[in-house]
Amino acid sequence: IAGITQAPTSQILAAGRRMTLRCTQDMRHNAMYWYRQDLGLGLRLIHYSNTAGTTGKGEVPDGYSVSRANTDDFPLTLASAVPSQTSVYFCASSESSSGSVDEQFFGPGTRLTVL
Amino acid sequence: SQKIEQNSEALNIQEGKTATLTCNYTNYSPAYLQWYRQDPGRGPVFLLLIRENEKEKRKERLKVTFDTTLKQSLFHITASQPADSATYLCALDFSSASKIIFGSGTRLSIRP
Repeated sequence: IAGITQAPTSQILAAGRRMTLRCTQDMRHNAMYWYRQDLGLGLRLIHYSNTAGTTGKGEVPDGYSVSRANTDDFPLTLASAVPSQTSVYFCASSESSSGSVDEQFFGPGTRLTVL
Repeated sequence: SQKIEQNSEALNIQEGKTATLTCNYTNYSPAYLQWYRQDPGRGPVFLLLIRENEKEKRKERLKVTFDTTLKQSLFHITASQPADSATYLCALDFSSASKIIFGSGTRLSIRP
């Protein structure tokens, strides 16, 4: 069982380019999340999805978009990358979709550098 | 807005001692609180969850307390080992649309 996979592992991107980070889970979890992790700031929620077909904004959604066409996949798109989006991005999932008590399972992360 | 503070950026202790990490929060109390471990270059891994009506939760050498009066959670690792060296994150749920909020973490180093 793979759990959560993310691709690519790392990427260097020119400012202004479009980029999609991929996330796939095989646990049939209802909820999925995208976080960014920056030194000293911890993990901050970008977007989330409680179930396939629905998405919501987290703490820092500007400049990012997501879609949830099916249960397994939750891609994160940067329409026009800027240097401040340089970060490590983590995808996570949890079984519950109701926001109740539930542990989150994290992917290995994508290290993105925008020049 | 809600704030979470973890006691220090780094904690360095001798093997065999008990490591104690602190997570403080402001404003209203969460419904539950989670602790995660994160190793360099990897995603966080869930360790323990404690609910607002629980005072203490244990799992092997780990113990978590939750004091809603002090607005604080303590995370203890007893008989610490070098393999316990990692960054530990607390995360709080406020049952809001933005799901759980993570602290910035405490980097724990256990020296032999």
